Amino acid sequence: QVQLVESGGGVVQPGRSLTLSCAASGFTFSSYAMHWVRQAPGKGLEWVALISYDGSNQYYADSGKGRFTISRDNSKNTLYLQMNSLRADDTAVYYCARDFAVLVAAKILDVWGKGTTVTVSA
Amino acid sequence: DIQMTQSPSSLSASVGDRVTITCRASQSISTYLNWYQQKPGKAPKVLIYAASSLQSGVPSRFSGGGSGTDFTLTINSLQPEDFATYYCQQSYSTPLTFGGGTEVEIK
Repeated sequence: QVQLVESGGGVVQPGRSLTLSCAASGFTFSSYAMHWVRQAPGKGLEWVALISYDGSNQYYADSGKGRFTISRDNSKNTLYLQMNSLRADDTAVYYCARDFAVLVAAKILDVWGKGTTVTVSA
Repeated sequence: DIQMTQSPSSLSASVGDRVTITCRASQSISTYLNWYQQKPGKAPKVLIYAASSLQSGVPSRFSGGGSGTDFTLTINSLQPEDFATYYCQQSYSTPLTFGGGTEVEIK
């Protein structure tokens, strides 16, 4: 079945780095754009980043621009989010999500992982 | 950035009620509007895309409408499993933005 499984979350000190991974299965990963979305404790959803199906284009929310890097390895069916210079307000559950359309980014998120928790604290 | 404003932020309703949630965009987004349902501790799930298209597997009691800046999500005959938080999201341009959410609670 179609599945996304995030990993790599944890407790990290402010200013440090962390890389999240998202393993995809059950579909042709290399044909879909992918997203990261986060949710701070008790708060709403915040889109973080988008990468095209082939990795050639990336888009970021202002909150992560210059600090976060989204990437993918289509040979490993894996999506990544490298996060640098982490701040307390980056504390959240981070979800990876598949885009709805094949080969284009419809920007509709139709399959979600269960999320991985990142806590930024001294 | 396009701001998405949902109302109300919460509502109480009974099983069998008809519920309508509204979402307003800060500029015209045509029909590039999607609705998600999220239950506590779970990932969101897409219900409606392109303003009014029902995602596969979603019950027909859910419907969406609107275009331009004003949109609605309607749940006909609310069921116990529908108590959740609902978010709208614009897919017109990046950065993608979500509304603040509407929590639907049991009366």
